[in-house]
Amino acid sequence: QSVLTQPASVSGSPGQSITISCTGTSSDVGNYNFVTWYQQHPDKAPKLMIYEVSKRPSGVSNRFSGSKSGNTASLTISGLQAEDEADYYCCSSAGSSTFVFGGGTKVTVL
Amino acid sequence: QVQLVESGGGVVQPGRSLRLSCAASGFSFGTHAIHWVRQPPGKGLEWVAIISSDGSNKYYADSVRGRFTISRDNFRYTVYLQVDSLRTEDTAVYYCARQFCDTLNCYAESFGYWGQGTLVIVSS
Repeated sequence: QSVLTQPASVSGSPGQSITISCTGTSSDVGNYNFVTWYQQHPDKAPKLMIYEVSKRPSGVSNRFSGSKSGNTASLTISGLQAEDEADYYCCSSAGSSTFVFGGGTKVTVL
Repeated sequence: QVQLVESGGGVVQPGRSLRLSCAASGFSFGTHAIHWVRQPPGKGLEWVAIISSDGSNKYYADSVRGRFTISRDNFRYTVYLQVDSLRTEDTAVYYCARQFCDTLNCYAESFGYWGQGTLVIVSS
């Protein structure tokens, strides 16, 4: 169960859009539409932001969107706001009811 | 509302054991899969284990298989993680998380609700 690859950090100015990539393999991201994304603020529990690649839970801003192409999933945050500054993690099914996370991306709002 | 409260963490020597608990409330406990996810201090998230709603199916990460055991008591609304043969690399905050459900389905492949975590420190 290898870790999915995410950029260590991404930054943007308020109002801009940023995209976080999450690269796996044909054994995880590429083989399942069970990619989820989590936002984690310091010393807080993670929060589900996207499930099944692109679905948004009720209450999550529509500024957050997800997509997938091949072995790479992406999370886009549009209209970047100060409160979006946090760590973001992707996660994918990896077969046999196991799961693998990405290493995490720190988003900084300039 | 959905609440998950972990307990049982602490400081333990390498090779020893702990039993972590996850007490649930605010939902029909016996109809939901529950995960354990851990996070070493200052590092990323790692999925640890999942147990199905009735406890009949359990799956583990390679890094803990054979040393950790997940179980549940649907009468006590509690999930447990027995952690044996602890190693220094098991030092982490351990979270339990419930699957997410929307208006149509529940998704065992998601972590929709999280507890606040319990810290396990493995050190001699």
